[in-house]
Amino acid sequence: RKEVEQDPGPFNVPEGATVAFNCTYSNSASQSFFWYRQDCRKEPKLLMSVYSSGNEDGRFTAQLNRASQYISLLIRDSKLSDSATYLCAGPNQAGTALIFGKGTTLSVSS
Amino acid sequence: DGGITQSPKYLFRKEGQNVTLSCEQNLNHDAMYWYRQDPGQGLRLIYYSQIVNDFQKGDIAEGYSVSREKKESFPLTVTSAQKNPTAFYLCASSIGSSSGAQETQYFGPGTRLLVL
Repeated sequence: RKEVEQDPGPFNVPEGATVAFNCTYSNSASQSFFWYRQDCRKEPKLLMSVYSSGNEDGRFTAQLNRASQYISLLIRDSKLSDSATYLCAGPNQAGTALIFGKGTTLSVSS
Repeated sequence: DGGITQSPKYLFRKEGQNVTLSCEQNLNHDAMYWYRQDPGQGLRLIYYSQIVNDFQKGDIAEGYSVSREKKESFPLTVTSAQKNPTAFYLCASSIGSSSGAQETQYFGPGTRLLVL
């Protein structure tokens, strides 16, 4: 099992839709995870961190399910500007660095 | 303005040539990281350093070398031994602690390396 694995994309949704991405992880000792947003040809930027049970910021909600070892990102009322690639990240097995998933591409259309 | 800078934005390498990518941060972070991203792929860890004068190999260190002589700087050299160097290289930093992976990493704008 890969250390961090994401849903394959792309996700194509209309404006206003609710969309959810999942990310599974293999290091059961992990305590914190991150969702990053990456625009085309740009660096990743932190969207949300996920500790304990979850985190919410406006239209974005991130949740952690320790029993099933996955984290999720929920985007409500999608905007055109939400179109991007979303990367999840968690600790590697040694707990010394972040490992990133391959990313899920979201395309929101009008 | 605090942040991470990478230079150059684009870099061209000739066959058999070593090239060095610059990464500087003024965030007073102890930990720094180098990742490589290929089209349609996630980020793969090349090297990381949790403190000055110390660094560790990541998942794909072959063909790369680093140094960490100053807290602010973590240059990456792509050697001629790296046979497929064309990629987007991203440098990141975090505050740094014994469990560095638990912290948010902040990224520089990246360097695109192309082979001529």
